[in-house]
Amino acid sequence: KAGVTQTPRYLIKTRGQQVTLSCSPISGHRSVSWYQQTPGQGLQFLFEYFSETQRNKGNFPGRFSGRQFSNSRSEMNVSTLELGDSALYLCASSLEVGRPQHFGDGTRLSIL
Amino acid sequence: GQQLNQSPQSMFIQEGEDVSMNCTSSSIFNTWLWYKQEPGEGPVLLIALYKAGELTSNGRLTAQFGITRKDSFLNISASIPSDVGIYFCAGDRYNNNDMRFGAGTRLTVKP
Repeated sequence: KAGVTQTPRYLIKTRGQQVTLSCSPISGHRSVSWYQQTPGQGLQFLFEYFSETQRNKGNFPGRFSGRQFSNSRSEMNVSTLELGDSALYLCASSLEVGRPQHFGDGTRLSIL
Repeated sequence: GQQLNQSPQSMFIQEGEDVSMNCTSSSIFNTWLWYKQEPGEGPVLLIALYKAGELTSNGRLTAQFGITRKDSFLNISASIPSDVGIYFCAGDRYNNNDMRFGAGTRLTVKP
């Protein structure tokens, strides 16, 4: 059974640019959550999508946004990139809300 | 965001030793999960706990959901070199997939 797939694995951008990250959940999983992982702040919740609707949102600025498509695939967008946005961005999927989440290997974003 | 207090931060142990780590919070959680992360990879789910007092094993790993619902424990018995990695606890307060994570316990196992 294929796991959660995130693309690209690595990305280098410069300040002010925008970026879109992609996540394909495990087949049959309808909930997709996004997390930011940094050495200083650890793993922090960004937002969660279920059936194309954002149901929960963490404490991140509006530059961070996402969406989910009808096939449950999700994208995350970060606009006006800042140096502090350098991080590993992880996507996790679960069958439904309240069930264990399974993570992808992440996209490592570096801002120059 | 609200984080969980995970300890210890790091452990250096000899192969064959048992390991214990724990996670505490000032708030009640409905679900506790334990993950392991290795370099270059995402966290891998080890154990999920749903009821206060629940004790669940996965091979040499055993985790417990504290009866106060504010803490959880993970034990690894007879450690081996491939146990090396960072172990994270995670809690879901409202069963809404808004998980809070501990800062992780970095485990090093010496052969």
